[in-house]
Amino acid sequence: KQEVTQIPAALSVPEGENLVLNCSFTDSAIYNLQWFRQDPGKGLTSLLLIQSSQREQTSGRLNASLDKSSGRSTLYIAASQPGDSATYLCAVGTSGSRLTFGEGTQLTVNP
Amino acid sequence: DAGVIQSPRHEVTEMGQEVTLRCKPISGHDYLFWYRQTMMRGLELLIYFNNNVPIDDSGMPEDRFSAKMPNASFSTLKIQPSEPRDSAVYFCASSLGTGLSGELFFGEGSRLTVL
Repeated sequence: KQEVTQIPAALSVPEGENLVLNCSFTDSAIYNLQWFRQDPGKGLTSLLLIQSSQREQTSGRLNASLDKSSGRSTLYIAASQPGDSATYLCAVGTSGSRLTFGEGTQLTVNP
Repeated sequence: DAGVIQSPRHEVTEMGQEVTLRCKPISGHDYLFWYRQTMMRGLELLIYFNNNVPIDDSGMPEDRFSAKMPNASFSTLKIQPSEPRDSAVYFCASSLGTGLSGELFFGEGSRLTVL
């Protein structure tokens, strides 16, 4: 059974700092990995989707990497802003179109 | 496109009542997923459909839960009878192509409180 772990559970940083969120998974036989953002009381917004054949994806100030062999992914946020404050979740796609979600990292960027 | 649309956004009901949650996926998407989110268990996949056909309902907690997708633009998740432990946020999501390679788009969720 696939298990997804995100570290840290919560992170507070000053505005402007570069930061890294971590995601690890137990079964390396994945199809893809997706990073989401969730604001309080809202749904999940897809940030980046990395296919299993890819090593990284970039969108603006966000960069996500994938290392299948070690079962790890990182989400790098450059020059963080208060508007980046949210919960970030990673989800691993495995067989049967099933996504397994991590518990999320709650990020607070202080002005 | 307006995105995935869910209704109601909030529902408060009493134990034993029937609850029906509704979802309109993004037009053209052929996969539809129902998830449940709680503090204790995080996000759990309940059921998903491909081209209106239920593919995997192994996440449905028990027979009190049922889901239908009568056409490509509408799905329902029904709980009958509801219990306090069903209180959660229920999300609908859709994707184009196989859910394994397609980006998943979520609705805003339906927050259910069962008293």
